[in-house]
Amino acid sequence: NAGVMQNPRHLVRRRGQEARLRCSPMKGHSHVYWYRQLPEEGLKFMVYLQKENIIDESGMPKERFSAEFPKEGPSILRIQQVVRGDSAAYFCASSPHPGGSNQPQHFGDGTRLSIL
Amino acid sequence: AQSVSQHNHHVILSEAASLELGCNYSYGGTVNLFWYVQYPGQHLQLLLKYFSGDPLVKGIKGFEAEFIKSKFSFNLRKPSVQWSDTAEYFCAVRMAAGNKLTFGGGTRVLVKP
Repeated sequence: NAGVMQNPRHLVRRRGQEARLRCSPMKGHSHVYWYRQLPEEGLKFMVYLQKENIIDESGMPKERFSAEFPKEGPSILRIQQVVRGDSAAYFCASSPHPGGSNQPQHFGDGTRLSIL
Repeated sequence: AQSVSQHNHHVILSEAASLELGCNYSYGGTVNLFWYVQYPGQHLQLLLKYFSGDPLVKGIKGFEAEFIKSKFSFNLRKPSVQWSDTAEYFCAVRMAAGNKLTFGGGTRVLVKP
């Protein structure tokens, strides 16, 4: 399967723990986007990364959330000291070129994060 | 900031009925428009997209959408639905020179056999 791969599919954490969500883009894609879907809501943009660079993090909460896309390996969305309100589905998408080049984004299956 | 509004949260219809899902956006500049579908337990899949040209766009699985610039709308249609069209449908907008997608709240469609 050459699609966008996210793991884990489901992640359960207790309040105060850290959550790490991984995303491997489609082969040949160097642009990664993270979105969050809260219960009963649409997807909301969080952050856009290229290899080793954060391009747009305007949707990221100011505290506890960080993202990286290293030269080697998957993109990581990290949530420190999780709270109940972080419970959501987190989707990763990738594209081969920047958004302005008329390329659609391809989505992964998402990680469903549950905070106890 | 741009926003996307999908008028119906839930739609229930019978097989062979026609489907139309509304989508309006608020942004005055040039936009790219998308409809994604999420089948139960699966990831979002692209149904169709509009970048430029013919405002009537045909997608996969018999879906089409019409971009009406004057109404800031991009409604999705299918003349005759099947049970397998049961899914959640998301409209999304991107500024033509931008990167991020802005999604509507989604419409859950249930097709009764």
